[in-house]
Parts: sequence; structure tokens; C-alpha cells
Amino acid sequence: EDQVTQSPEALRLQEGESSSLNCSYTVSGLRGLFWYRQDPGKGPEFLFTLYSAGEEKEKERLKATLTKKESFLHITAPKPEDSATYLCAVQDMDSNYQLIWGAGTKLIIKP
Amino acid sequence: DSGVTQTPKHLITATGQRVTLRCSPRSGDLSVYWYQQSLDQGLQFLIQYYNGEERAKGNILERFSAQQFPDLHSELNLSSLELGDSALYFCASTGGTSGNTIYFGEGSWLTVV
Repeated sequence: EDQVTQSPEALRLQEGESSSLNCSYTVSGLRGLFWYRQDPGKGPEFLFTLYSAGEEKEKERLKATLTKKESFLHITAPKPEDSATYLCAVQDMDSNYQLIWGAGTKLIIKP
Repeated sequence: DSGVTQTPKHLITATGQRVTLRCSPRSGDLSVYWYQQSLDQGLQFLIQYYNGEERAKGNILERFSAQQFPDLHSELNLSSLELGDSALYFCASTGGTSGNTIYFGEGSWLTVV
């Protein structure tokens, strides 16, 4: 059964303190792994799609990496405006383009 | 701006009533998804349409229904509303130029009183 687990559930960092969020997944065949950012009361905002192990993508202070079993979202020198819930989701090759979602990591960056 | 447009943004209605939420997908996207998110909860997949046809069904109640029209916009109909139906309802779209990336609208806040 397809499964996505995100850790930690919540993470509090000081401004400038770099860290990583984890997304572990189990699928029969990975079509893609997606990272989204969600602010309270807003729709998830697309960040990255990763397709194969070894792939990396960067956007400002965020960098996403992918292995055969997990993905990391690295946050370098975060700012308070990076505070949000970060969601990970996977598409299985056989899933009809459905997304299997993790529960998210709530990130709080203190000034 | 994701390019997915949802209306209305906010809606307050009474128990037992019926409402319709509307979604316009990104230009060129053929597939539309509907999700429900209750307060501090995760995204719950409701239903997916592809080019007018139902493609997948998730945890959608029998009181809820949806359709996708020839111009590819979609509507989610919620009837016999209960207090527990209060939530954010998101529409998302993919396909076309989006590839397999799913883009979300800003949601429709539904409050049932």
C-alpha cells in the first residue's frame, strides 16, 4: 500500500538556523514526488517535483533532494516568512495521477 | 497565482441547505480535483474529473456531488449541509501544460451554522 510519512510533525527554529524536513515514502513505482507549502487558510503552493533518485531542485532558501525511499527539504538560513506547513505527496505509476499525501511538517521560524 | 480560480471565497449557510462551489482550472488543464480540509486537518481527496468524465472517487459523501462541464470548469454540489461540513474546499487542476503537477486554487471557505 502506498504510504507517505513526514517528520517531524512540527519544527521550531531560530531565524538563520538551517535544518531539514523528511518525507519517507512507499510506492510500487514512483511517478513523482511533490513538495508544497501551505499557509493557514490558503491553498497549497507548489514548490518542487522530483522524479528520480539523485535529483535535486533549489528555490531561494529551499533545496529538495530525493532517494529511493525518502526526500528531504533543506531550509538554509530560514526567515520568519518561511513559516508554514510543508506538505509532501507522491504519485504512484498506477495511481491515475492521484496524490498520496503526508500529514505535513509545521515549520515555525522565530525572529 | 496558481491559475486555478475558485468561487465563492467565503460562504455562510444554514444546516440543511445546499450550496454549489465553482472551479475554473488552469488554462489547458483537463483534470480537476476536489479536496476538503477541515480546521487543522490534512487534505481529504473527494473526487477527480478528467475531460468531463469522473476518473477517481475518494471520501466523498453521498450528499455531495460534482461534475465537469465541456468548457472544463467544475462544480461541487453540497446538499443537506451539516455543521461538520464546515471546511475549506479546494479545487486543483493538472494535465495540459501542467504536466503531472497539480496546482491548487485558494479555496472556498464554507461555514455551516
